Amino acid sequence: NAGVTQTPKFQVLKTGQSMTLQCAQDMNHNSMYWYRQDPGMGLRLIYYSASEGTTDKGEVPNGYNVSRLNKREFSLRLESAAPSQTSVYFCASSDRPGASYNEQFFGPGTRLTVL
Amino acid sequence: DAKTTQPNSMESNEEEPVHLPCNHSTISGTDYIHWYRQLPSQGPEYVIHGLTSNVNNRMASLAIAEDRKSSTLILHRATLRDAAVYYCILRAFQGAQKLVFGQGTRLTINP
Repeated sequence: NAGVTQTPKFQVLKTGQSMTLQCAQDMNHNSMYWYRQDPGMGLRLIYYSASEGTTDKGEVPNGYNVSRLNKREFSLRLESAAPSQTSVYFCASSDRPGASYNEQFFGPGTRLTVL
Repeated sequence: DAKTTQPNSMESNEEEPVHLPCNHSTISGTDYIHWYRQLPSQGPEYVIHGLTSNVNNRMASLAIAEDRKSSTLILHRATLRDAAVYYCILRAFQGAQKLVFGQGTRLTINP
């Protein structure tokens, strides 16, 4: 089991460029999440998908779009990157949406720099 | 989501117990207390969770105050691998889709 995988690991963009961050999980989980972590801060939720076919905004959705491609894959797209989007992006998945015990499994992160 | 308060940093010695405190005075009756940790350059990982009773697992113990307004994560015998940022998070009973991370406690372990 690879768990949660993310690609790429590192990326440098110029302001205005677009890119898609990929995330896949092999645990047959229903829910998937995208977080961002700025230096010295805790993680903040960007978007989540409670189940295949649904997506919802989190705390900081502006400037991002998501696609739940299938049960395994959840992508995050930056249409026009801005320096404020320089951050480390983490994808996570969990099995039982809405349950109080809802352990989330995190990927290794994508370090994105926007110049 | 109810708020938690943790010390910014703590330091301990290898092979000694570590007690990481968390205050959550506005916790509601159905909020679960979760702990995650984030090792350097990695994503967070689940440590433990509880509601009212103290909990033990292979990684740690969670001691919850009787009034539930505070809790303590206990690492019984710290190793260098336990150096991480530890996050105390409250989760609502139903519909808790997200984890709300504060700044956590950065734990340093001295050899």
